[in-house]
Amino acid sequence: GAVVSQHPSRVICKSGTSVKIECRSLDFQATTMFWYRQFPKQSLMLMATSNEGSKATYEQGVEKDKFLINHASLTLSTLTVTSAHPEDSSFYICSARGPPRGPGNTIYFGEGSWLTVV
Amino acid sequence: QKEVEQDPGPLSVPEGAIVSLNCTYSNSAFQYFMWYRQYSRKGPELLMYTYSSGNKEDGRFTAQVDKSSKYISLFIRDSQPSDSATYLCAMSASFGGYQKVTFGTGTKLQVIP
Repeated sequence: GAVVSQHPSRVICKSGTSVKIECRSLDFQATTMFWYRQFPKQSLMLMATSNEGSKATYEQGVEKDKFLINHASLTLSTLTVTSAHPEDSSFYICSARGPPRGPGNTIYFGEGSWLTVV
Repeated sequence: QKEVEQDPGPLSVPEGAIVSLNCTYSNSAFQYFMWYRQYSRKGPELLMYTYSSGNKEDGRFTAQVDKSSKYISLFIRDSQPSDSATYLCAMSASFGGYQKVTFGTGTKLQVIP
C-alpha cells in the first residue's frame, strides 16, 4: 500500500535554531500533502496544506513565517520550524493523499516527528 | 459546535469483547469516511474507508455509515490487547486535489487481557 516516510522521527534542538522535517511519499506521487501538529492526548490539528509547485495554504492561527513549508517535488514536502521555542515542542505529522488506484484516494500518514526544543 | 464529535474515552473492555466506536458530524456534505488507529507516539494508520452510507467489513472490523443520522461507527469483534490504541474518525466532502479532511478528537481504547 501507499507509504509515507517522515524524517527525522525525533529531534532535539536549542531554542532559537531552525529545524527541518521531511515528508516523502515513497511509492506514489502526492500533489497534496498535509502537515499536522498533535499535542499530548489531543487530536490532530491541521497546520497547512502543501501543494506541489505552489505556496502552502495555512490554517487560521498558524504563523506562515514560523512554519515554512516547501513542496518542491511530487514526492517531497518539508516543514521548517524557524527560531524554535520550547512551546513549539510537539509531535508533527505529515500525510499525503494516496494514489487514485488506492482505496478511495484517501490519506496516508507518516510516522510523525517528535520535536523537543530546549 | 464542532464539525465532528467523538467521545474521547478512555474505553476499557475485556479481551474478546465487541467494541463500538462512534462519531457524529454536522456537515451534510461529508461523503467519505475513514477510521484511523494511532498507537502511542506513532502516526495514524488507516484502518477502514467507506463512501456514503452502508457497511463495510474487513476481518474483525466493521465500519457503518448512517448519513441520515450523520453518525458513523466502527465495530471491533473479538477485541485483542493489540487493539489498544486511539481510534480517530475522519471525513471529507470529496476526493481529489485539495480537500480538507476533518478528524474527530479520537477515542482511546484499552483492551484488558
